[in-house]
Amino acid sequence: EAGVTQSPTHLIKTRGQQATLRCSPISGHTSVYWYQQALGLGLQFLLWYDEGEERNRGNFPPRFSGRQFPNYSSELNVNALELEDSALYLCASSLSRVHGNQYNQPQHFGDGTRLSIL
Amino acid sequence: GNSVTQMEGPVTLSEEAFLTINCTYTATGYPSLFWYVQYPGEGLQLLLKATKADDKGSNKGFEATYRKETTSFHLEKGSVQVSDSAVYFCALNTGFQKLVFGTGTRLLVSP
Repeated sequence: EAGVTQSPTHLIKTRGQQATLRCSPISGHTSVYWYQQALGLGLQFLLWYDEGEERNRGNFPPRFSGRQFPNYSSELNVNALELEDSALYLCASSLSRVHGNQYNQPQHFGDGTRLSIL
Repeated sequence: GNSVTQMEGPVTLSEEAFLTINCTYTATGYPSLFWYVQYPGEGLQLLLKATKADDKGSNKGFEATYRKETTSFHLEKGSVQVSDSAVYFCALNTGFQKLVFGTGTRLLVSP
């Protein structure tokens, strides 16, 4: 079974540009999550998509946005990039909450996209 | 709010030593608890989980018991290997599918 796949592996941008990161969940998973792992800040929850809709959002500005497609893959868009956006962006997927207790569904992570802002 | 506190690292051990990485949590309700491991240059891998009090999660020789009375979920392994060198994250999920992570503990195992 293929795991969560993310692309690109690395992305280099300059301040003010836009970045698009992509994620394909494990087959059968309908929930997709995005996390930011920035140096010194640890792992921070960004967004949760389930069955095409945004379900929860972390404490990030509106220039962080995303969407989920009918095949459950997802994009994370970051507009007006700032130096502090440099981080590893991790995508995770899980079964949907409709398949059981939502607290128990473990999230399975991809290897991440390293975004560097120059 | 919900939070996870892990012991500061790095934890440095010799091969075959006993490992304990402490994790305590603060949460409303009854969270599910997880340990994830991150090897260099990779994403997070789920190591083990526990969903209710007194549950013991185990995998690859690692164990952790959900202790509600002490709000703890300490990770243990009886005999570590060099290949266990990685960063270990304790995490909780109280709902809305938002994982709250600790800061991570780096484990270094020498031959």
